[in-house]
Amino acid sequence: GNSVTQMEGPVTLSEEAFLTINCTYTATGYPSLFWYVQYPGEGLQLLLKATKADDKGSNKGFEATYRKETTSFHLEKGSVQVSDSAVYFCALRGFNNNDMRFGAGTRLTVKP
Amino acid sequence: GAGVSQSPSNKVTEKGKDVELRCDPISGHTALYWYRQRLGQGLEFLIYFQGNSAPDKSGLPSDRFSAERTGESVSTLTIQRTQQEDSAVYLCASSLASGGAGGNEQFFGPGTRLTVL
Repeated sequence: GNSVTQMEGPVTLSEEAFLTINCTYTATGYPSLFWYVQYPGEGLQLLLKATKADDKGSNKGFEATYRKETTSFHLEKGSVQVSDSAVYFCALRGFNNNDMRFGAGTRLTVKP
Repeated sequence: GAGVSQSPSNKVTEKGKDVELRCDPISGHTALYWYRQRLGQGLEFLIYFQGNSAPDKSGLPSDRFSAERTGESVSTLTIQRTQQEDSAVYLCASSLASGGAGGNEQFFGPGTRLTVL
């Protein structure tokens, strides 16, 4: 079945550091890929998405590129801020259905 | 409605009791999902509905868990004979159902925090 594997945390960075959170997936067909973010005390919200190979999703300075050849959707940001501290979830939705699968989440803490 | 709502927001129960958790999806969203999030862990998929039917029930942890949805709107997740390991936040999400490469976003409710004593 479909599944998502993402980098285990926690990740602690200093402000303005470069961020990469790895995500790889297993799926049949052509899934859509997502990154969701959960800020402290808040619900999950969509950060970015990509629906086909080579698409790049971007939002709030974060980017992720849908790489079919490596079955990956790594999240990157060039310069993190304290306000980026949150838990980040990689997710996959199957092509022919609405079955969503989430990774285990990666907790990011950014220190001033 | 403006967003996905869930009730109750918090539920404390005694081991062995049954609980019902409710989810009201966004109006017009035909896909509805239930997840469980244990403290410090990721989202565990439980079940999803396409309309009123549930194509995939494989995520339900045991036969003590069941869910239903009526009228392509409200859904209830029922846990019978609760155990302490059932303590978690139960999240509901809804989305438009398009199939194919729609990449439809899931909108999450605030969750129900269940504590089994």
